[in-house]
Amino acid sequence: QVQLVQSGAEVRKPGASVQIPCKASGYNFPDYYIHWVRQAPGQGLEWMGLIDPSGGDTHYAQKFQGRVTMTRDTATSTVYMEVRSLTSEDTAVYFCARETSMSSCDHWGQGTLVTVSS
Amino acid sequence: QSVLTQPPSVSGAPGQSVTIPCTGSSSNIGAGYDVHWYQMVPGTAPKLLIYGNTNRPSGVPDRFSASKSDTSASLAITGLQAEDEADYYCQSYDISLSAWVFGGGTKLTVL
Repeated sequence: QVQLVQSGAEVRKPGASVQIPCKASGYNFPDYYIHWVRQAPGQGLEWMGLIDPSGGDTHYAQKFQGRVTMTRDTATSTVYMEVRSLTSEDTAVYFCARETSMSSCDHWGQGTLVTVSS
Repeated sequence: QSVLTQPPSVSGAPGQSVTIPCTGSSSNIGAGYDVHWYQMVPGTAPKLLIYGNTNRPSGVPDRFSASKSDTSASLAITGLQAEDEADYYCQSYDISLSAWVFGGGTKLTVL
């Protein structure tokens, strides 16, 4: 079955970086885009961007351009998202999700809580 | 402030029906982009509820339905059950932003 498995919770200090892995299984990894979405405490869902695991092409929300990098490792069917220059406003649960052919996300990772605190 | 507008909360008694609207603009829903709906129970990942405006993935009860018209969409839930208590989000694509966009979310309370 399709699975997206993320790493456990992370704690970082302001100004630091965090890299979150998302390991895919149960399907042909290159065939589906992976999106990243986050949810800050008490807030709604916020789209961050996507990566095409086939060629590595990325597209980021304007808000995150220059501060977020998405990469992939086809050998391990894993995508990574790095967020740099963290502030307290980046405290959130970060989800990876697989895009379907109709531009929605049918499978989601379990989420990774990133806490930014001094 | 979200690009897609949803009411913060709706409520209904068990067995009743509720509708959750999602209002967009000419750069997203009104431009012909599909609307999708997700159900999110706090502490868990979103679950795809409706895709391509009106389609239910396998396993989603037919108590859930959705529609789209002009610059808005709506999710309807009939025969409310306690397990339906969750947050619901609409999602589409915005051509002006070149980005996926979500509604602000609607908390459904089953009274």
